Amino acid sequence: QQQVKQSPQSLIVQKGGISIINCAYENTAFDYFPWYQQFPGKGPALLIAIRPDVSEKKEGRFTISFNKSAKQFSLHIMDSQPGDSATYFCAASPPSYTGANSKLTFGKGITLSVRP
Amino acid sequence: DAGVIQSPRHEVTEMGQEVTLRCKPISGHNSLFWYRQTMMRGLELLIYFNNNVPIDDSGMPEDRFSAKMPNASFSTLKIQPSEPRDSAVYFCASSRAAGGLYNEQFFGPGTRLTVL
Repeated sequence: QQQVKQSPQSLIVQKGGISIINCAYENTAFDYFPWYQQFPGKGPALLIAIRPDVSEKKEGRFTISFNKSAKQFSLHIMDSQPGDSATYFCAASPPSYTGANSKLTFGKGITLSVRP
Repeated sequence: DAGVIQSPRHEVTEMGQEVTLRCKPISGHNSLFWYRQTMMRGLELLIYFNNNVPIDDSGMPEDRFSAKMPNASFSTLKIQPSEPRDSAVYFCASSRAAGGLYNEQFFGPGTRLTVL
């Protein structure tokens, strides 16, 4: 059972365009939704994250939109650049009530290619 | 800070051999996660520790896999005996739990394991 599903599986965008990656989750207990970015030969790194008390969060060219009723969230990359070419993972986590970390459930990842 | 350190970076071994992967988390972090990444299955959580104690090992594929964290600055993931289907990139990540909030996981560079 895949609890976090990403779409599309791959994406090609022209430089300057908008990249949109979608993620759907099943577990209504999830309350933390990060996006991770991974370059070839490197480990994933946190890009941006959101909690369900807000519907949108923006950091520079990156925006997360969150729809709690639909159990979906998406990553928008404005003015996409060739340097944004990477694999993007959405993830989700339930709340931590003990002060210890809860585990992240990752989507399978999508490969974004930004053409010059 | 040196970040999460993993060794070796690459490992090539023959089926049936024992493999030990090593991880040094970021100093001060109290949670450690082991992941496996393949094209087919994406990024899978194998096991995670809080304060050196294993919390969830439900992702460990079978008894051939074992993980230890003898102290706050070191963890190992062992595969014995190894099989070709274990070929993957193995990531270690660490995080610092604080006040019940979810905190960013910092990934190491990974160990690429090839089992012939």
